[in-house]
Amino acid sequence: DQQVKQNSPSLSVQEGRISILNCDYTNSMFDYFLWYKKYPAEGPTFLISISSIKDKNEDGRFTVFLNKSAKHLSLHIVPSQPGDSAVYFCAASARSGTYKYIFGTGTRLKVLA
Amino acid sequence: NAGVTQTPKFQVLKTGQSMTLQCAQDMNHEYMSWYRQDPGMGLRLIHYSVGAGITDQGEVPNGYNVSRSTTEDFPLRLLSAAPSQTSVYFCASGRGEWEQYFGPGTRLTVT
Repeated sequence: DQQVKQNSPSLSVQEGRISILNCDYTNSMFDYFLWYKKYPAEGPTFLISISSIKDKNEDGRFTVFLNKSAKHLSLHIVPSQPGDSAVYFCAASARSGTYKYIFGTGTRLKVLA
Repeated sequence: NAGVTQTPKFQVLKTGQSMTLQCAQDMNHEYMSWYRQDPGMGLRLIHYSVGAGITDQGEVPNGYNVSRSTTEDFPLRLLSAAPSQTSVYFCASGRGEWEQYFGPGTRLTVT
């Protein structure tokens, strides 16, 4: 059973508009969430994180929102740029010291110039 | 800093062969892990280590062994390669249990 789900395999957005990538989770023990970006033939790179004590975290053009009651998080990219075209993974971990990250299946974002 | 390095970049094995994927980091991170990425499956955790001498299993550990004799190195051993182990393998390291830095990956094909 997939504990972290990214139900949209792909998303296309015009340059300058907002990109919204979604992630749902089923395990209520998860309390720390991360987003990674991955370009082809490279390893994932860390983008932004949020802990369950917050409902929003911003870093420049990237904002992550967490809705604990809905077990849902989203990544907003504003404004979207062609260089943002990549696969985005969300990941979740429980602060139990298990050090286990569960990743979603990824969403491929294409920003059209 | 070189960050996280992985060797080899590409490898082709025959079924039943064994090999070791190398991973090294120069950031003095306690936490290291191995993932595999398969189409439509995201990244799945194979094994991880929270420090030298300490390892534990992830989601998909069967068919793989690890050891952590130094802080810097975390090799992944395939004992008897199977076609189901065809995948891209990523090693990662981190200072705590949160942000991880990933290597460039090893693309393994088992025929």
